[in-house]
Amino acid sequence: DIVMTQSPDSLAVFLGERATINCKSSQTVLHSSNNKNYLAWYQQKQGQPPKLLIYWASTRQSGVPDRFSGSGSGTDFTLTISSLQAEDVAIYYCQQYYTTPFTFGPGTKVDIK
Amino acid sequence: QLHLQESGPGLVKPSETLSLTCTVSGGSISSSNHYWGWIRQPPGRGLECIGSIFYSGSTYYNPSLKSRVIISVDTSKNQFSLKLSSVTAADTAVYYCARHPSDYFDAFDIWGRGTMVTVSS
Repeated sequence: DIVMTQSPDSLAVFLGERATINCKSSQTVLHSSNNKNYLAWYQQKQGQPPKLLIYWASTRQSGVPDRFSGSGSGTDFTLTISSLQAEDVAIYYCQQYYTTPFTFGPGTKVDIK
Repeated sequence: QLHLQESGPGLVKPSETLSLTCTVSGGSISSSNHYWGWIRQPPGRGLECIGSIFYSGSTYYNPSLKSRVIISVDTSKNQFSLKLSSVTAADTAVYYCARHPSDYFDAFDIWGRGTMVTVSS
């Protein structure tokens, strides 16, 4: 199985400041045939299902605010919230869908400082 | 707008079979290239993919659960189902159904609200 790790485990950021979450996969999730990274980011608020934010590592899902951006390739990826809002308090997960079984990172909890 | 809703018993006894159904509304389960999946989340923990199915019946299962899992589809009812046999306390979790929008090798773009299943005697 591809093991997904995330750092930090948690972070607290002032409102309006940048939040950066890192995700690393134990093997590449970049498919050579189409040059796509099979990596998604989800946001999960308390008591709610995960919500897809980013897919193909950097494509924002429809309706997701542009303060959310994804970057990276191969095995190292980053989710950036450019200006943290109160409604962004949540746990964020990365997920690889390159190979079965699809696996998620352990999550990063984002709070307001 | 597509909507997914999980249903099934909230309490299952150890060694018995957990059975859940996901009802799809606002669209056809048979349309396009969508796969339909099950994901679970133990209390306070992370997410685990259980498996997915295409409307034709083609399935992918997590190898760690494959010996105990059956996912099936009923296109006439616009539903797909999960059966997990020989459950233990470790199977206690919130179970979500979700959609892969364009292929199996794709993210999950629409999720149900989830249903809590507790394994206890």
